[in-house]
This record gives sequence, structure tokens and C-alpha cells, in this order.
Amino acid sequence: QVTLKESGPALVKPTQTLTLTCSFSGFSLSTTQMRVAWIRQSPGKALEWLARIDWDDDEFYSTSLRARLTVSKDTFRNEVVLTMTNMDPVDTATYYCARISPTCNINSCYFDYWGQGTMVSVSS
Amino acid sequence: EIVLTQSPGTLSLSPGERATVSCRASQIVPNSNLAWYQQKPGQSPRLLIYGASTRATDIPDRFTGSVSGTDFTLTISRLEPEDFAVYYCQQYDNSPPRYSFGQGTKLEIK
Repeated sequence: QVTLKESGPALVKPTQTLTLTCSFSGFSLSTTQMRVAWIRQSPGKALEWLARIDWDDDEFYSTSLRARLTVSKDTFRNEVVLTMTNMDPVDTATYYCARISPTCNINSCYFDYWGQGTMVSVSS
Repeated sequence: EIVLTQSPGTLSLSPGERATVSCRASQIVPNSNLAWYQQKPGQSPRLLIYGASTRATDIPDRFTGSVSGTDFTLTISRLEPEDFAVYYCQQYDNSPPRYSFGQGTKLEIK
């Protein structure tokens, strides 16, 4: 059974760095074709993809947020960590981690399991 | 970068009716590389359809996805009370890897 769960601070101050952890089970990021992504959703708004990390340590980022994001993995602990620097009130959102289907290829790539999300508010 | 535009923004229907949600891509989406998700209030998104028309595991057959050119459609043949939610389309671009979502369509009870 695949599960993912996000954790991190509920409140951060402007200019601070946000660190979120995705703890997962039911698969391993040491297995070929496994990938985990981060997606966020501002209140009442659409979904926005942020970053992805692959089993082979490849990392990919949203073009607009690339300079502020870092994604990493701890294969032994089954965790993926997202850091976002220089937080701003517009970054207030629910942050989700999601597994990318292991069948992902150039023709089809989608999120088959999602965490419950963690709400992060940015305010002084 | 492919932009996805969903319509309508809100759809008001009654249980038992047929719902049609559209997702138009700004350019041809290679290989029908599009997925649909359902999101209920306070919940995370749930995968419904991938590859434009393949239902995900345990998704009822009243949900159907189709494509014609740059126009993707999610059809719910006969609405059940639990189908009232927000629906998102999502596309994947491989060069470089990136993911785009439509802005969402809210399906509400009339």
C-alpha cells in the first residue's frame, strides 16, 4: 500500500527558508523508475508543480521557482525533502508530495498517489 | 510551454445528469499525454484518468476521457452525489520535465 505524508512548519516568516519532509511507504526511491514530486495549491487556486526527484538522483524544478527550490532524498529513511528559500506571503499554500507513476515516460507521466498535504502560511 | 485552459469554470448540474468538462491545450499534446484528477474539499487530488482516456484503478466506468486534437474532455455519464468536486487536467512535457495543470472546473449541485 502506497502512502505519503508531508510534514513541516505551519507558519514561517517572510524571507525565511521553508523545509518540508515527505515520508512515504509502499515503494522505494532506490527502485528504478520511482519518482516523487512536490505540488502546491494556494487557497482557492489551482495546482502548481514545484519539483521532482528521481530514483537516479535527477532533479527537476519549476522554471519560475527554480532559483528558490532544492529537492533531496534519503533513500534509507524513505523521505524526500523540499526546501524553498526567501518565503513570501504569496507562497502561502497547501504543499503536497505525490508519487509519480512508475510507468512515467516521454509519452505519459502523472501523479498516482498523493499525500494529504500540509498547509503553510507565510506571515510576519 | 503548453497552457491548459479548462471550461467551464463552474458547472451546475443535478444528480443523474451528464457532466462534460473541457481542457484545451495551447498546442498539440504529444501522445495524448493528459491526466484528470478529482479534488473534494479538504482532500488531496485523486487520479481519475491518464493517457487521456485510461481510467485509473477503481475509478467507476461512468468517468470517461476523450481527446480530439488539442481538446480533451472528461465526461461523467450519470452524476452521483459523490462526484460533485473540482476537476483538474494535467499535462506532462518531457523536454525538460515539467507538469502543467488546468485552472480547475468546479462541479456543483444545482
